[in-house]
Amino acid sequence: DVKVTQSSRYLVKRTGEKVFLECVQDMDHENMFWYRQDPGLGLRLIYFSYDVKMKEKGDIPEGYSVSREKKERFSLILESASTNQTSMYLCASTVYARDRDPLHFGNGTRLTVT
Amino acid sequence: LAKTTQPISMDSYEGQEVNITCSHNNIATNDYITWYQQFPSQGPRFIIQGYKTKVTNEVASLFIPADRKSSTLSLPRVSLSDTAVYYCLVGDSGAGSYQLTFGKGTKLSVIP
Repeated sequence: DVKVTQSSRYLVKRTGEKVFLECVQDMDHENMFWYRQDPGLGLRLIYFSYDVKMKEKGDIPEGYSVSREKKERFSLILESASTNQTSMYLCASTVYARDRDPLHFGNGTRLTVT
Repeated sequence: LAKTTQPISMDSYEGQEVNITCSHNNIATNDYITWYQQFPSQGPRFIIQGYKTKVTNEVASLFIPADRKSSTLSLPRVSLSDTAVYYCLVGDSGAGSYQLTFGKGTKLSVIP
């Protein structure tokens, strides 16, 4: 079974802090994704990566950056956290970025910015 | 862009069949349709996937008409444990690369 692990389930940070959310997958998947999930808005794609050191913007990249130095690890960075970034963050991976290969998700990191 | 539209919520009694329809008018020729289920405090998990006609597995069935502009997830004889949010996903290649964009999902509540 594919395992996608997010380093923290809950995180509380202060406004202006730099925040790192870490995600690791154990199935040698090429593609990794970061989503945020908010009530009434569903899942929205922040960034995704097709390969090491490669990244592409999703629907809502503003205020975020990402890093993929190793194939198994994809980090989401909040350069200067703001209260409107309080949300559930979900990481996912898949073999191919086409829709025919199912996404495998972690259990999420609930981030609160105060 | 192959955006999807689903009902926001549905209620059903235990033991009934539930059908959730997703509209995807701009689906591309090569796109597949995938459904996910999400329980509270968990990430979504894959339920079923199809390209056309009907697909069935041990959990659900997926009906896709010939024009592929919609799809219907069918859950037979639901139980309380099927209470979850269900997402329809269609590949999004409008930007020249494949962004997998979710809709807002359908919150299914199963009533005893």
